[in-house]
Amino acid sequence: DAMVIQNPRYQVTQFGKPVTLSCSQTLNHNVMYWYQQKSSQAPKLLFHYYDKDFNNEADTPDNFQSRRPNTSFCFLDIRSPGLGDAAMYLCATSRERTSYEQYFGPGTRLTVT
Amino acid sequence: AQSVTQLDSQVPVFEEAPVELRCNYSSSVSVYLFWYVQYPNQGLQLLLKYLSGSTLVKGINGFEAEFNKSQTSFHLRKPSVHISDTAEYFCAVSWVMGFQKLVFGTGTRLLVSP
Repeated sequence: DAMVIQNPRYQVTQFGKPVTLSCSQTLNHNVMYWYQQKSSQAPKLLFHYYDKDFNNEADTPDNFQSRRPNTSFCFLDIRSPGLGDAAMYLCATSRERTSYEQYFGPGTRLTVT
Repeated sequence: AQSVTQLDSQVPVFEEAPVELRCNYSSSVSVYLFWYVQYPNQGLQLLLKYLSGSTLVKGINGFEAEFNKSQTSFHLRKPSVHISDTAEYFCAVSWVMGFQKLVFGTGTRLLVSP
């Protein structure tokens, strides 16, 4: 089945130690999104890629970066994680930027110790 | 700017009882409306959507929602819930035109007990 895959499902990192989260998709969609969802809060869009065009949300901290080496893969890099970055990170895709339906992966739960 | 309000953070209900989860939105432009469900430690799954046309939309797992433009609401209903419906439910909106950025409400936890 076509799907959005996130690895790992659970990630523990130390305060200040860089960490990378991975997302891959078999849907061949043009757009890939990264959301941050803190405990008991709504998912919040960090940024998205339309093909190779990177689009950052205005309030996304500089500590968060992203890479999309090809259509299938997208990475979220947190350069110096703080305790406040502990959250569920959700990857999603859509066919186009004007497509209303987004397909979500299962998420990666990040713990910062 | 668009915003979504889900007033109920938690809704407890007994199995086989009906349930309504409330969602109100504010927007200066036309929007699409969505309900997503999130089971523990999983991603979001689309339950149903309103794009245009009939204001009553039916989704998966027996859920339905009604769009009320005058009250700017999009409440989610199910006539008889199951234990397996226990999950977090998010209402979301996106713009009709242009980039389809999803703006989510803060979610409602539905707790179904026997």
